[in-house]
Amino acid sequence: GENVEQHPSTLSVQEGDSAVIKCTYSDSASNYFPWYKQELGKRPQLIIDIRSNVGEKKDQRIAVTLNKTAKHFSLHITETQPEDSAVYFCASQGGSEKLVFGKGTKLTVNP
Amino acid sequence: DTAVSQTPKYLVTQMGNDKSIKCEQNLGHDTMYWYKQDSKKFLKIMFSYNNKELIINETVPNRFSPKSPDKAHLNLHINSLELGDSAVYFCASSPGGAHYGYTFGSGTRLTVV
Repeated sequence: GENVEQHPSTLSVQEGDSAVIKCTYSDSASNYFPWYKQELGKRPQLIIDIRSNVGEKKDQRIAVTLNKTAKHFSLHITETQPEDSAVYFCASQGGSEKLVFGKGTKLTVNP
Repeated sequence: DTAVSQTPKYLVTQMGNDKSIKCEQNLGHDTMYWYKQDSKKFLKIMFSYNNKELIINETVPNRFSPKSPDKAHLNLHINSLELGDSAVYFCASSPGGAHYGYTFGSGTRLTVV
């Protein structure tokens, strides 16, 4: 079945540093890759997404890259701030329309 | 105006009881979902409805039964609750079709004692 692997499971960085989270998907038919941020006790919220016809997308301090050949996609956060601390989930969507989520990365940004 | 609202936010109940969680969305979306988030934060799909019709039913015990009276509502009824059902249950909605992210509700934390 569809599977999404996400690494690392925890990531600790100093404020101002960059953070990178990587995901690998198994379904070749996957064509949509969103990223969600979940703060403690809150709902997951969509922060950025990328479609299969695009290799990179940026939105201020966050960017996502996609390598369809290798079935990899990554989230890059630059100039991290304490409020970036949260659990981040990658996900992929194929023909079934359901989103399959990675297991999450707990990001801690230390002041 | 809350886009996707769930009630209740917290639910504490004894093993063997039956309980329901309600979800409503005012986004005009066609598709609604139930996800379960366990203690390790893993988000796993349970059900999906498109315009009141069940389209995804993952490997979920028969004790869980979704109901969608209209496309704006998707409720989840759970019979004979077990300790392992303790989790946060998220409702979500999307416009349907490919390439659309979900909007999640605020979640219902279910604790079975």
